[in-house]
Amino acid sequence: EPEVTQTPSHQVTQMGQEVILRCVPISNHLYFYWYRQILGQKVEFLVSFYNNEISEKSEIFDDQFSVERPDGSNFTLKIRSTKLEDSAMYFCASIEGGGPYNEQFFGPGTRLTVL
Amino acid sequence: KNEVEQSPQNLTAQEGEFITINCSYSVGISALHWLQQHPGGGIVSLFMLSSGKKKHGRLIATINIQEKHSSLHITASHPRDSAVYICAVRNYGGSQGNLIFGKGTKLSVKP
Repeated sequence: EPEVTQTPSHQVTQMGQEVILRCVPISNHLYFYWYRQILGQKVEFLVSFYNNEISEKSEIFDDQFSVERPDGSNFTLKIRSTKLEDSAMYFCASIEGGGPYNEQFFGPGTRLTVL
Repeated sequence: KNEVEQSPQNLTAQEGEFITINCSYSVGISALHWLQQHPGGGIVSLFMLSSGKKKHGRLIATINIQEKHSSLHITASHPRDSAVYICAVRNYGGSQGNLIFGKGTKLSVKP
């Protein structure tokens, strides 16, 4: 069964460093999402991406964050200069089409630890 | 104010018990998801509902759009059902599908 994959599973970085989190959505999916979950808190929406551009972003997704689909298969989240408060689990998700009745498939997550 | 509220926050059950987790939401929605998150952190989609009821194995999900309420039921619970169950909604009229999440219900099933 096709699945969303994410790498790495765990990333440790120093404050101020840039990190890139990678996702490979399911191959025929069109809409892509990043969510994050700070330890002990609920999952929060970061950004949605369609047709090679951001379709919506939350207040969390400030200038330090960017997303890219560089090669038609990978979907990346870049944090330019990490802060301690960026430590969280980051989930990628995708859906086949943009209609409201389509199921969203989640990746296993990347745990980011900023020291 | 949280747009998606779940109850209870924590639930401990004995193996074999019937379990109900509730979700109430305050926004208009186009779909509601029930998700399962295991201790390792990964999220698995259990159901997506826009009306009525769905069943998969021992899991049943119902939704009442008029009352803005959904329930997830687990029949004949088993220790392997121990996980966090998350309700998430897709805002009606919102753009392409981003979800609003509840805080989750942590279920522990004892043998």
